[in-house]
Amino acid sequence: DTGVSQDPRHKITKRGQNVTFRCDPISEHNRLYWYRQTLGQGPEFLTYFQNEAQLEKSRLLSDRFSAERPKGSFSTLEIQRTEQGDSAMYLCASSLGSKQFFGPGTRLTVL
Amino acid sequence: ELKVEQNPLFLSMQEGKNYTIYCNYSTTSDRLYWYRQDPGKSLESLFVLLSNGAVKQEGRLMASLDTKARLSTLHITAAVHDLSATYFCAVDSRNSNYQLIWGAGTKLIIKP
Repeated sequence: DTGVSQDPRHKITKRGQNVTFRCDPISEHNRLYWYRQTLGQGPEFLTYFQNEAQLEKSRLLSDRFSAERPKGSFSTLEIQRTEQGDSAMYLCASSLGSKQFFGPGTRLTVL
Repeated sequence: ELKVEQNPLFLSMQEGKNYTIYCNYSTTSDRLYWYRQDPGKSLESLFVLLSNGAVKQEGRLMASLDTKARLSTLHITAAVHDLSATYFCAVDSRNSNYQLIWGAGTKLIIKP
């Protein structure tokens, strides 16, 4: 399968814990995006990489969130000191041109 | 600040009927995207509209873009149950191919 993959698919954590998610984009795609989606809403843009460079970060992203794409391939999104408001689906997408291809998402539940 | 509004947010319709979902946005953009999302699943790209007057069709779905009116439509012809899903439009806020701003989605239920 050559689609976008994300790991884990589900994560339950206690408030205050740190969590890290991984995204593996489609191999030839140089652009990678992270979004957050809550129930009944459209995705919200979080951040964007072109190759290994993080070119844009949403104002929605607090200092507790950090993302990396160290070799321009896979990416990680870390949330430190999780809060209940962080509970959401975290989506990763990749692209080479205009169309973004989405992964299955990681559903985070913060208790 | 760019805003993207879809309407209706919820639509229940009978098989065989036609209907249109509307996507309005608040600033200039030449790039608009339509996606489909099934419950518990990720987003599937349907259409990419890259210029004023662009029209694309796939099966029973047809999308169009009017950049002057800042309006896109997704038209469903002779709906079938398999088209039941949530449909999102998204606008490229900077014509730069990366920062998409999304509508809230239209949940479409098609009854047999």
